[in-house]
Amino acid sequence: GENVEQHPSTLSVQEGDSAVIKCTYSDSASNYFPWYKQELGKRPQLIIDIRSNVGEKKDQRIAVTLNKTAKHFSLHITETQPEDSAVYFCAAHRGSTLGRLYFGRGTQLTVWP
Amino acid sequence: GAGVSQSPSNKVTEKGKDVELRCDPISGHTALYWYRQSLGQGLEFLIYFQGNSAPDKSGLPSDRFSAERTGGSVSTLTIQRTQQEDSAVYLCASSPKGSTEAFFGQGTRLTVV
Repeated sequence: GENVEQHPSTLSVQEGDSAVIKCTYSDSASNYFPWYKQELGKRPQLIIDIRSNVGEKKDQRIAVTLNKTAKHFSLHITETQPEDSAVYFCAAHRGSTLGRLYFGRGTQLTVWP
Repeated sequence: GAGVSQSPSNKVTEKGKDVELRCDPISGHTALYWYRQSLGQGLEFLIYFQGNSAPDKSGLPSDRFSAERTGGSVSTLTIQRTQQEDSAVYLCASSPKGSTEAFFGQGTRLTVV
């Protein structure tokens, strides 16, 4: 099956700085890569996703990049704010309705004011 | 509309007892996942149901764990002869047909004493 590796496990940044979280995957058939944010005590929620037919996607301060050849994808958060503090999970999926999501182990992001 | 609902929200049980955790997915969602999240840890996959296909049980940690999904809707995760290491938050998620986005419930916090 798929194996998703996520780094770093913890990340601390100053408010206003950028944060980057990286993931690699093993299954070349994976073609859908979502990112979930889990705030303390809350449920994980989808914040952005990318499909393998594009290399980059942006949504305000958040962007995701994908390198299919190297089988890695990254989450970029610019102008970080304290409310960005949370655990972020990357995931990979084959895109078939019969497949399941494979999650990375998560990154605890702390943004210091 | 209503999201994924899990019950109970909290469960304290004595070691050796059996417990049942319930998940009501969003109406019409065909895929259903169970994950386990220990304190400060990532999302540990347990089991995945997709429509009428055979479930992917590859994440169940032992034969004390089982899950069923009746009528393609409600799911129950059963843990027999609970152990202290079973203490965790058990998260359920569902996805609609044709989509890979997972919508998570709030989870059931299980404490085995």
